[in-house]
Amino acid sequence: DAGVIQSPRHEVTEMGQEVTLRCKPISGHNSLFWYRQTMMRGLELLIYFNNNVPIDDSGMPEDRFSAKMPNASFSTLKIQPSEPRDSAVYFCASSLGRRYQAFFGQGTRLTVV
Amino acid sequence: EDKVVQSPLSLVVHEGDTVTLNCSYEVTNFRSLLWYKQEKKAPTFLFMLTSSGIEKKSGRLSSILDKKELFSILNITATQTGDSAIYLCAVGSNYGGSQGNLIFGKGTKLSVKP
Repeated sequence: DAGVIQSPRHEVTEMGQEVTLRCKPISGHNSLFWYRQTMMRGLELLIYFNNNVPIDDSGMPEDRFSAKMPNASFSTLKIQPSEPRDSAVYFCASSLGRRYQAFFGQGTRLTVV
Repeated sequence: EDKVVQSPLSLVVHEGDTVTLNCSYEVTNFRSLLWYKQEKKAPTFLFMLTSSGIEKKSGRLSSILDKKELFSILNITATQTGDSAIYLCAVGSNYGGSQGNLIFGKGTKLSVKP
């Protein structure tokens, strides 16, 4: 299995632009998580899906952030409009059922200038 | 508010030393505690602990959970430069009866010098 696949690996954008991050979970996993990692705050859960349904989005910073999971093999995290404080590494992870061994993608390093 | 606290935040040792990393937590509906190792990229899974007092071992690494005192330790013996990484502790909880999620500590940055 190729593992959790995220794209792009790096994104540099100007403030105010829309950014879309993509994730393909491991086939067969039914839980998908979006995390954001910064030096100051560490790893923070933004949102997680179970069977394609958003279960907890309390970690989403504000209305500028939105996430979708249209099917079991694809999810997006969108930031519109982006701001410099959104600069971070965004990780997608997936897990199988009630096993909490989440497998992480390689992350997308987002820089908003 | 649920929280996971790791200590120390950073640690510098020499090859061959033994280190102990700490993780304490306050989480409602505790389900499991996990340790991850993060080098340059994504966190990679090390251990999952659900029961108190049962040590998990993998080579030079071992971990144990104390659910009464709400903490876990990760031990690394005979450290090597390849052990240099950020070690993350995460606690899995049940949330509203659903699959739950992981709450991460800020990590311990371990540097092993030759």
